[in-house]
Amino acid sequence: AQTVTQSQPEMSVQEAETVTLSCTYDTSESDYYLFWYKQPPSRQMILVIRQEAYKQQNATENRFSVNFQKAAKSFSLKISDSQLGDAAMYFCAHHNTDKLIFGTGTRLQVFP
Amino acid sequence: SAVISQKPSRDICQRGTSLTIQCQVDSQVTMMFWYRQQPGQSLTLIATANQGSEATYESGFVIDKFPISRPNLTFSTLTVSNMSPEDSSIYLCSVKGLNEKLFFGSGTQLSVL
Repeated sequence: AQTVTQSQPEMSVQEAETVTLSCTYDTSESDYYLFWYKQPPSRQMILVIRQEAYKQQNATENRFSVNFQKAAKSFSLKISDSQLGDAAMYFCAHHNTDKLIFGTGTRLQVFP
Repeated sequence: SAVISQKPSRDICQRGTSLTIQCQVDSQVTMMFWYRQQPGQSLTLIATANQGSEATYESGFVIDKFPISRPNLTFSTLTVSNMSPEDSSIYLCSVKGLNEKLFFGSGTQLSVL
């Protein structure tokens, strides 16, 4: 079965600092997609960043970047220059045959 | 990205009743999905809503409990039938866009008393 594991239930970071959220996954596929979603208290699921497995280059979206290690099946999210608005639940997800399999989430707190 | 409107945003329901959640997309999409997020949990796929045919349900979810309609390429409904307190969750509609990106509605917060 495809699984996605987020081993950090909670993380905290000081405003303007950098934080890394961990994610590992299990798959037998060679070509797939990985995602990070953000869910603030409003419940809205917001796509943060997407990585294609066949691309070796790590995806970057402004202050958000990933460290994709395909052999290790690891997909961590780095948030630079953290802002108060980054506080939310973060879910890692693996795309598997038209479905997204989500991890259990990491709650990120940002302190001023 | 698609704009997805989901209604109602929240509801409080009595045990044994049913609630229908609507999902409207501003463009035609092939694939629509319904997810459940139980309190403090991650998202679990309930079913894929297929236009013109029966929905495809994931293990642990059945049509009698979660009937789904998909009358066209921009609209779908999910009904939560014969509700019990265990059905208290957030229900989210989502659609697949380009490059396998999944976009979500704002969710329906359901509380069953």
